[in-house]
Parts: sequence; C-alpha cells; structure tokens
Amino acid sequence: AQKVTQAQTEISVVEKEDVTLDCVYETRDTTYYLFWYKQPPSGELVFLIRRNSFDEQNEISGRYSWNFQKSTSSFNFTITASQVVDSAVYFCALTTDSWGKLQFGAGTQVVVTP
Amino acid sequence: DARVTQTPRHKVTEMGQEVTMRCQPILGHNTVFWYRQTMMQGLELLAYFRNRAPLDDSGMPKDRFSAEMPDATLATLKIQPSEPRDSAVYFCASGLVQNIYGYTFGSGTRLTVV
Repeated sequence: AQKVTQAQTEISVVEKEDVTLDCVYETRDTTYYLFWYKQPPSGELVFLIRRNSFDEQNEISGRYSWNFQKSTSSFNFTITASQVVDSAVYFCALTTDSWGKLQFGAGTQVVVTP
Repeated sequence: DARVTQTPRHKVTEMGQEVTMRCQPILGHNTVFWYRQTMMQGLELLAYFRNRAPLDDSGMPKDRFSAEMPDATLATLKIQPSEPRDSAVYFCASGLVQNIYGYTFGSGTRLTVV
C-alpha cells in the first residue's frame, strides 16, 4: 500500500521568512516518483517538480528547493524568502506504477502575510 | 501554454438530477484522470484512461458514476442521480505515460448538489 503523509496542516509566516513543508511517503516499490503540486486560491493544481527514486540529488529552482532522502522516506520542500504569492495549498504526491496514478497527501496550507 | 479545459466551471443542481462534466485533454496526451477533491477526503482518484480505454475506475461509486472517453478530445464524468454528498470539486488531468514530469490539471468543476 502507498501512503503520503503531510503532517503540517497549516504554516503561517511573514513575508521573507523561509518555510519548509514536510512530506513522508510509504511504498514497498523500489521504483517510484514523487511530486509536488501547488494549489493557489484560484483552485487549479500547478505542477512544481517530479523526482524519481533513483535520483536523490537535491534540486533548487529559484526560491524553491527540494530535499529528497530515501533513508527517511522524505521529500521536503522549502520556499526561501517567501512572498505573499506563495500563499497556497501544497500537495505532495507519489506514484509507483507506469500509468502514473497519483496518491496525494492531505496538503499543507501556507499563509504568507506582508 | 497548452491547457486542460473543463466545463462547466460551476454547477448547482438539485438532488436526483443528472450531472455531466466534460474535459478536453491536451492534444497528444494519452492518459486522462478524474480526481475529486473534498475537505474531508482530500484528492481522490475516481477513474483514469489510457488511449481512451478505461484502466481503473475502482474509486468511483459504480451505481451512480460513469466515466467515458467518446473520442481523444473529450472525457466525460456523469453522475446519475446526484446526491448532496457528491458536492465537491472535480478535476480532470491529462498527460503522457512516457513523460510523467507531471500531469496537467484542469481548473476543475465545482459541483454543488442541493
């Protein structure tokens, strides 16, 4: 069985603070893919990143960075110098099959205030 | 940018009525998903198709829900009869099996059954 846990329900920060979102996953498969999606107040789901289980290299994209650690089954996401536009719900997701069926976590609401 | 188009964006209907939601996947994408989002259950997979063939619809209440892809440019999700517990946001997503950088989600259909 697969499971994605996002233990943080909501995180509130003041603009320019860093914020780290936790994601812990469970799977017995050795090949899998992890994703992060952003859902702003407008409601659409926006793809941010995909990582496969064979690539533990951390990644940075602008103010976003991701820390993938297989040893702890975690795929954490950090927003550096947060901005009000970062306010959204962020979902971590997992797929282990080639069809790409995604198992989502419950999401973490990020609130950035000026 | 290519988009997944969902119609209608909002739908309010009375209990017992039939509801049809439509999705136009991105041209060339061979996999289409239907997800439902509620506060209580989060994002749940209802059904998905590859090359228009249904692969998995185990997430759907079979007695009232049906999903089809009459052609490569249209996916439909039908509820008959609708019930108040069906109130949710229904998302369609499309992508390529061989390219799972991330599936593109539509803006969703917000369904309210009264």
